[in-house]
Amino acid sequence: GAGVSQSPSNKVTEKGKDVELRCDPISGHTALYWYRQRLGQGLEFLIYFQGNSAPDKSGLPSDRFSAERTGESVSTLTIQRTQQEDSAVYLCASSLSSGQPQHFGDGTRLSIL
Amino acid sequence: QKEVEQDPGPLSVPEGAIVSLNCTYSNSAFQYFMWYRQYSRKGPELLMYTYSSGNKEDGRFTAQVDKSSKYISLFIRDSQPSDSATYLCAMSALSSASKIIFGSGTRLSIRP
Repeated sequence: GAGVSQSPSNKVTEKGKDVELRCDPISGHTALYWYRQRLGQGLEFLIYFQGNSAPDKSGLPSDRFSAERTGESVSTLTIQRTQQEDSAVYLCASSLSSGQPQHFGDGTRLSIL
Repeated sequence: QKEVEQDPGPLSVPEGAIVSLNCTYSNSAFQYFMWYRQYSRKGPELLMYTYSSGNKEDGRFTAQVDKSSKYISLFIRDSQPSDSATYLCAMSALSSASKIIFGSGTRLSIRP
């Protein structure tokens, strides 16, 4: 594919609802990353996948957050029982392998009412 | 203290000026250094990627790393209005190259 694709591009939901965010990495990229970017701030690391396994989940803020990756391709980030503090842009990146330069999608803008 | 510090700006310069963007860091284990450009409502785009100390040039962009001072810079020559964006520095250690630590970004505006 051309680049990293994320969907939806925007999501507005009510507090307490669950949301699922999707990332399609660049074809052939084995490493995949999720970040959160709050307004006017830098990127906050959430989780990293090498293939389908997640060696580093250290950035997940709480047990309401989970992520999975299947087929060494698509990944989904799920936030359960959303809170207003979860409002942010969620960015996905992929790289050829761990440690290689990361290429980003345009993110999902999540707003919790 | 944050691991990576970056002046948030905003920085406004006239078209054609040389721009200097900087970051300082505290972790001496950082070996990989990157600069990303982020336009409004877009994901970060990799501009420069360097390993260890030294300079790297790509067109109008030059990245400098001074590990002894824990200081990195990005210079933009002949700045254009299209360079107006937020610039993020980023870095990672050899032992955990997958975990990139980002600065908070500097907003740059080039006045025509």
